Amino acid sequence: QSVLTQPPSVSGAPGQRVTISCTGSRSNIGAGYDVHWYQQLPGRAPTVLIHASTNRPSGVPDRFSGSKSGTSASLAISGLQAEDEADYYCQSYDSSLSGWVFGGGTKLTVL
Amino acid sequence: EVQLVESGGRLVQPEESLRLSCSASGFTFSDRGMNWVRQAPGKGLEWISYISGSSSTISYADSVKGRFTVSRDNAKNSVFLQMNSLRDDDTAVYYCARRWFGEPAGAFDLWGQGTMVIVSS
Repeated sequence: QSVLTQPPSVSGAPGQRVTISCTGSRSNIGAGYDVHWYQQLPGRAPTVLIHASTNRPSGVPDRFSGSKSGTSASLAISGLQAEDEADYYCQSYDSSLSGWVFGGGTKLTVL
Repeated sequence: EVQLVESGGRLVQPEESLRLSCSASGFTFSDRGMNWVRQAPGKGLEWISYISGSSSTISYADSVKGRFTVSRDNAKNSVFLQMNSLRDDDTAVYYCARRWFGEPAGAFDLWGQGTMVIVSS
């Protein structure tokens, strides 16, 4: 049971827009800690997609965007491409656990 | 080249010990907090340990507290994870990951390729 809750899977057709939710609590997202999102391609290490809830590192396409409100956050991917098929993880810091926590991950399938 | 390279993973028996290493290059290592994150086969990511640039701040996940010890040698641009009393459920790919500069709860902006630890009799 992960501290941050994500849907196990989402899917969409090429060109469509999908969102992935990440629900936390008052000790992590709700406490004001930033949410970060990672993409993990099959067999590869994760890479940061969104940091500090809404910021894209250089090189990340603007098709990816993040938002945060209350105890939840979301990752939106627009203009879906086949190469976006991967696992996506949210992450935040938890004051009760004094450490970082991850969501359970969401597998994105591009139909 | 900016990179992290882990090493030391192998097959070990339950209750044995193992030391993982992560070698950094291409950036000022001592300026950066470093983390260990693991991923069991077919499972999600689990943060397990953090060490600040000066080693003044160290933290562990409850799942490894008391069994794992993180350390670093800034002169050698390396961070280590000493794992004792290994259990079957410690089987995972272990990644080292660099914390975003200047942000206490920052993202992990650089990851190594991972090293596999298998605990099995």
